[in-house]
Amino acid sequence: GAVVSQHPSRVICKSGTSVKIECRSLDFQATTMFWYRQFPKKSLMLMATSNEGSKATYEQGVEKDKFLINHASLTLSTLTVTSAHPEDSSFYICSARALGTSGDEQYFGPGTRLTVT
Amino acid sequence: AQKVTQAQTEISVVEKEDVTLDCVYETRDTTYYLFWYKQPPSGELVFLIRRNSFDEQNEISGRYSWNFQKSTSSFNFTITASQVVDSAVYFCALSDYSGGYQKVTFGTGTKLQVIP
Repeated sequence: GAVVSQHPSRVICKSGTSVKIECRSLDFQATTMFWYRQFPKKSLMLMATSNEGSKATYEQGVEKDKFLINHASLTLSTLTVTSAHPEDSSFYICSARALGTSGDEQYFGPGTRLTVT
Repeated sequence: AQKVTQAQTEISVVEKEDVTLDCVYETRDTTYYLFWYKQPPSGELVFLIRRNSFDEQNEISGRYSWNFQKSTSSFNFTITASQVVDSAVYFCALSDYSGGYQKVTFGTGTKLQVIP
């Protein structure tokens, strides 16, 4: 099946610094990638939808200047948490939709655990 | 608006017992997809099943089975003869085009603990 990778899998950073998380579709082209956030023992919340070559669509309540999303190619989307604070600590998961498929075909990455100290 | 409800927060069963995880959804779309995912302690989401809104046929895959009832907007998941390796958080999810673009909405998850 289609594989989506995320890098890094875990990252610890100091408050005030920025962190970039990469999401790659390894064996397929992804026109659309999604970014989710999961708080401990909570569900996944969609943060934003990113389409290759265009601006991301953010969900209500998600700060676009805080969570910068870039989808520069059909196989890579990045999420940058700018000026991270402890409350940004979370599990971030991306998913990718394969080119030419209907909206239901999403493949999830393994997630990135961010800890801000 | 779309919504997925998993009323069971945590379930504990003894190994070899059968267990059913409930999922109720809401959507205004007539075309939509339903999913179940497993999230073990490692955090990685494991895809279990996808079902589209036009296919109400129940499905069985090994010890897993799913009961899709459109009349009650439910998509329940049953594990037969549970095993310790089944211990995980299970998420039900709905994919539809509410709001004009494709979106997946997850339920709050059910934590299943299988006791040896």
